[in-house]
Amino acid sequence: AQTIHQWPVAEIKAVGSPLSLGCTIKGKSSPNLYWYWQATGGTLQQLFYSITVGQVESVVQLNLSASRPKDDQFILSTEKLLLSHSGFYLCAWSLTSAETLYFGSGTRLTVL
Amino acid sequence: SQWGEENLQALSIQEGEDVTMNCSYKTYTTVVHWYRQDSGRGPALIILIRSNEREKRSGRLRATLDTSSQSSSLSITAAQCEDTAVYFCATDDATGYQNFYFGKGTSLTVIP
Repeated sequence: AQTIHQWPVAEIKAVGSPLSLGCTIKGKSSPNLYWYWQATGGTLQQLFYSITVGQVESVVQLNLSASRPKDDQFILSTEKLLLSHSGFYLCAWSLTSAETLYFGSGTRLTVL
Repeated sequence: SQWGEENLQALSIQEGEDVTMNCSYKTYTTVVHWYRQDSGRGPALIILIRSNEREKRSGRLRATLDTSSQSSSLSITAAQCEDTAVYFCATDDATGYQNFYFGKGTSLTVIP
């Protein structure tokens, strides 16, 4: 069975500090991977997607970057956090375009 | 933006009632996903309807898709307390670029 694990579960960080969030998918080779951001009470905004190792496409510019160093790993990061980065970050995978998205449990980020 | 008409933001109904949530989209899509998100969790797919389908049922759920009006609906029959959640519709942009757009979402509360 496929599993998706996100870490950490929650972070409280200072404005201007760096950030790294991670996501690992087990049990599925070469999945499409996604990062989404959700403001409290808001909808999901797609940030990045990746269809293969080493290739990441940006959907919106939010002073964040993403990398896929391994087939099963997706990393979201920034060198300098802004207050507006607060929210709920979700990693997801799918087999192909337009198919089901399987989400992780998310990381709650609070920037102070 | 992929989205036109706003989804309802919040609905509150009595247990046993039926409820329908609507969404509309601006550009062609090959599929409409409906996701359910419980508090503090990642969304989970509950029903997916493709552009060549007009209706899809799954238990007490019924999704419809009208490609001519570019709209979709999700109905829940005889709602139960455990149906309390936020419901999102999502579409792809049919470009093959792995972009999924989520609607505003509907926060459904079922009162016992």
